Amino acid sequence: QLQLQESGPGLVKPSETLSLTCTVSGGSISSSSYYWGWIRQPPGKGLEWIGSIYYSGSTSYNASLNSRVTISVDTSKNQFSLKLNSVTAADTAVYYCTRQASHYFDYWGQGTLVTVSS
Amino acid sequence: EIVLTQSPVTLSLSPGERATLSCRASQSVSSSYLAWYQQKPGQAPKVLIYGASSRATGIPDRFSGSGSGTDFTLTISRLEPEDCAVYYCQQYGGSPPCSFGQGTKLEIK
Repeated sequence: QLQLQESGPGLVKPSETLSLTCTVSGGSISSSSYYWGWIRQPPGKGLEWIGSIYYSGSTSYNASLNSRVTISVDTSKNQFSLKLNSVTAADTAVYYCTRQASHYFDYWGQGTLVTVSS
Repeated sequence: EIVLTQSPVTLSLSPGERATLSCRASQSVSSSYLAWYQQKPGQAPKVLIYGASSRATGIPDRFSGSGSGTDFTLTISRLEPEDCAVYYCQQYGGSPPCSFGQGTKLEIK
């Protein structure tokens, strides 16, 4: 059974960089059939797609975050990562890592709450 | 930019009734690229429907999807108490490449 697990700091200071890692178990991140993505959800609000990456390193980002986001992959560790710089309180959210099958998200991590506060 | 608008915002129904949830896109969406998710409190979303009408693995046949172009529908027949959740539609392939509707909260009386 495929499992995804987010890890990283739960508290980040304003203007600093949010960094999260997703560890994939029960399957290979190098599968040619899937992309791997990040989605976030501010408390009490809806879902926002951040971006996705293929095992080769090809990426696609939400234009609203494009200049601040970097998603990378480490196939040797079966992990992919998210970096979001210059964070503000508006970036406070539960961050989910996901597997993207074709054009939808079929596996999700449990999510990790990241709070931006001094 | 493709904006997905879901209606109603909240829906309150009794067990055994049928729920009809709407997702309207600001531009045409390929049916292949429209999905529906269920999110219960404190949990990650779970895919119910992909390709507008294909049920994901393990999803009961009480859940069905339909629609094309700019209008899509998620129908839940014979509501059960555990269907209480927020439901989101999602499109892929437009601009931005991926976006979600704002959600419909389904309450079971």
